[in-house]
Amino acid sequence: DVKVTQSSRYLVKRTGEKVFLECVQDMDHENMFWYRQDPGLGLRLIYFSYDVKMKEKGDIPEGYSVSREKKERFSLILESASTNQTSMYLCASSLGTSGEQYFGPGTRLTVT
Amino acid sequence: ILNVEQSPQSLHVQEGDSTNFTCSFPSSNFYALHWYRWETAKSPEALFVMTLNGDEKKKGRISATLNTKEGYSYLYIKGSQPEDSATYLCAMNTDKLIFGTGTRLQVFP
Repeated sequence: DVKVTQSSRYLVKRTGEKVFLECVQDMDHENMFWYRQDPGLGLRLIYFSYDVKMKEKGDIPEGYSVSREKKERFSLILESASTNQTSMYLCASSLGTSGEQYFGPGTRLTVT
Repeated sequence: ILNVEQSPQSLHVQEGDSTNFTCSFPSSNFYALHWYRWETAKSPEALFVMTLNGDEKKKGRISATLNTKEGYSYLYIKGSQPEDSATYLCAMNTDKLIFGTGTRLQVFP
């Protein structure tokens, strides 16, 4: 079974703090993704990566950056957290470009 | 901007009822259509990935059809059970997944 894990289920941070959200997958997938989910808006793609050290902007990259130093790990970074970044963050991985995505359990981030 | 729409937004049915929901997507730039089930406090899980016009897939009591020419997919649940309660997401695959906002299904015993 593919397993995608995220470092925290719940996180509370203050405005201006630097926040790291970690995601690890154990199935040697090339592709990894970061989404955020907000009520009424569905899952929106923040960043994705098709290979180590490679990153592409998704639909809402502003205020975020990512790091992929190893194939199994994809980190989402909030350089200076703001209250409008309070959300549920989901990481996913897939084998091919059109393959089904496997999701982590999500991190509910609150920025106060 | 490509937009994927799902209807209805929410649905309440009695155990044993059959139900269906719709996913609409722009038919240009189509590569694949995904359906996911997202139960509360769990991760979204893939149900189907469909690529061909006229495709029909089935998993137990759940099935889905795809019409790429007119840009829609239907998800059917036969004989709904309380454990089917979840949010059902569809996503259109271009070079990335574009998700709809989901249909939240609640099945009452």
